[in-house]
Amino acid sequence: SAVISQKPSRDICQRGTSLTIQCQVDSQVTMMFWYRQQPGQSLTLIATANQGSEATYESGFVIDKFPISRPNLTFSTLTVSNMSPEDSSIYLCSVVRGERGYEQYFGPGTRLTVT
Amino acid sequence: AQSVTQLDSQVPVFEEAPVELRCNYSSSVSVYLFWYVQYPNQGLQLLLKYLSGSTLVKGINGFEAEFNKSQTSFHLRKPSVHISDTAEYFCAVSEGNKLVFGAGTILRVKS
Repeated sequence: SAVISQKPSRDICQRGTSLTIQCQVDSQVTMMFWYRQQPGQSLTLIATANQGSEATYESGFVIDKFPISRPNLTFSTLTVSNMSPEDSSIYLCSVVRGERGYEQYFGPGTRLTVT
Repeated sequence: AQSVTQLDSQVPVFEEAPVELRCNYSSSVSVYLFWYVQYPNQGLQLLLKYLSGSTLVKGINGFEAEFNKSQTSFHLRKPSVHISDTAEYFCAVSEGNKLVFGAGTILRVKS
């Protein structure tokens, strides 16, 4: 498995501001993912973050709204920009591990409330 | 694109009773399948996985799941549930290195 930490664990922010979420992994990983879990819903992939290249965004998500950094193989940040109440969600990072590289392990999540 | 259907949004069950949470996926090609559990106010924990081999896979906390290729299903079972199993359970299928999740099933275990 993997030990993954996220900061902050939760935050309450005002609309129009930005929040940067940090994800730290206990060992080097090639691929990191960022997911959003809106209230009462399932997880939706925002983007894949690879070290040394730009993040790859899923349909419906854009870099201007969710800029991602991946400065090294153990760390990534996701920024939620110009927030609105619709951005209130849990944001989770995950990494791929396992013998075939398909098992994903998740951080504890960041619970964001936008007022 | 892959899709995952979890047929029950909520499953209430009494303690020590058996439970089955249903999951169907869309693809007919080889896939990897996963069940995750999310306890209240926590992140996701990998419960079990099917990568290949035996169609009956065993996971943590006494859970098991059976891969059925002809029915494109991957149902989760436990013969006797505990109050502590109350959580939301997500079925997921691989799409390359990405995961596509179902909508989730809330398991409520009652005493």
